[in-house]
Amino acid sequence: GDSVTQMEGPVTLSEEAFLTINCTYTATGYPSLFWYVQYPGEGLQLLLKATKADDKGSNKGFEATYRKETTSFHLEKGSVQVSDSAVYFCALSENYPFNDYKLSFGAGTTVTVRA
Amino acid sequence: ETGVTQSPTHLIKTRGQQVTLRCSSQSGHNTVSWYQQALGQGPQFIFQYYREEENGRGNFPPRFSGLQFPNYSSELNVNALELDDSALYLCASSLGQTLDHNTEAFFGQGTRLTVV
Repeated sequence: GDSVTQMEGPVTLSEEAFLTINCTYTATGYPSLFWYVQYPGEGLQLLLKATKADDKGSNKGFEATYRKETTSFHLEKGSVQVSDSAVYFCALSENYPFNDYKLSFGAGTTVTVRA
Repeated sequence: ETGVTQSPTHLIKTRGQQVTLRCSSQSGHNTVSWYQQALGQGPQFIFQYYREEENGRGNFPPRFSGLQFPNYSSELNVNALELDDSALYLCASSLGQTLDHNTEAFFGQGTRLTVV
């Protein structure tokens, strides 16, 4: 079945440091890939997504590229801020050709940015 | 601001009891999905409702059931609660069943259920 494996945390960084969170996936079709963020006490928010190979999703300075050859969707940000402290989830949805309706999530990576 | 609201925000139940959680989907959305997020883990798909019909189910026992109403709001019911049911329950609404380049799932803030 579908699965997502992401880098274990917690990750602690200083402000303005470079952040990368690794994510790899297993899927039988052509999934869409997502990064969600969960701030303390809040629900999940979509951070970015990519729906086909070689697409790059980007938002709020974060980027991730859909790499089919390595089945990866690593999240990167060049200069983090304290406000980026959150739990980050990599997820996939297998839309084609199976019309799978669910999101399959990784276990999450807790990121703490110190001033 | 997602527009998806869940109630209650927190509740405590005793093992063996039954619980109903509620979700109001974002205006115009016809699809609601429910997820269980245990502490320190990623959300796990429970089921999805599309136009009042169950439309996909994860690996959860039948004591997890749901409803979707004509206004597309939804309920999650859990019978015979077990200690392991303690988790954050998330509702997500979307327009349409699949999540592609045109469709996004919007999540509520969740209901924190504690079973004692």
